[in-house]
Amino acid sequence: GQQVMQIPQYQHVQEGEDFTTYCNSSTTLSNIQWYKQRPGGHPVFLIQLVKSGEVKKQKRLTFQFGEAKKNSSLHITATQTTDVGTYFCLHHNFGNEKLTFGTGTRLTIIP
Amino acid sequence: SAVISQKPSRDICQRGTSLTIQCQVDSQVTMMFWYRQQPGQSLTLIATANQGSEATYESGFVIDKFPISRPNLTFSTLTVSNMSPEDSSIYLCSVAEGGSNQPQHFGDGTRLSIL
Repeated sequence: GQQVMQIPQYQHVQEGEDFTTYCNSSTTLSNIQWYKQRPGGHPVFLIQLVKSGEVKKQKRLTFQFGEAKKNSSLHITATQTTDVGTYFCLHHNFGNEKLTFGTGTRLTIIP
Repeated sequence: SAVISQKPSRDICQRGTSLTIQCQVDSQVTMMFWYRQQPGQSLTLIATANQGSEATYESGFVIDKFPISRPNLTFSTLTVSNMSPEDSSIYLCSVAEGGSNQPQHFGDGTRLSIL
């Protein structure tokens, strides 16, 4: 079946450093959504990407969809302690309506 | 966005028993989903709850083990039947307005432990 891998699995950064997580698929993606889950919390929707090569920004967060629509990335500039959590990508396949969450990247911040 | 109330928030159950989890939304929504999340792991979709018809289950999940009801557009239940320790997990409901490709909003989850 379809797998959506995220790398890295864990990332520890100093506060103020940048952070990037990548979402890679074995098949072409219809769209990508990104979610953030704080420790002990539930996933919260961040953004949706639909078009090939699309780039969207939310303050310090930059989201990108690959030209081939097989990968996506989330980049955080100058991390803050509030960025702590696990970041998941979610793929929706229009062909078979399957929803697949990525494996997630857990971000911890060293103050 | 929709406000989702999920209960119970947590429970500890005996092996062989069943537990029903409720998900209430403050507005009518098209899509409701049930997920399972093991601690430290990603989310796995159990099924899509369809209003007025049987739920659509993902591979590896069956109706006898996880019966789902959706009597209207604001409410759904998931029952975990004949529980074993392997069912210990967090169960989450989510909703999406307009279709399964739309952003999802999650309940707070139910943390279930089986003794």
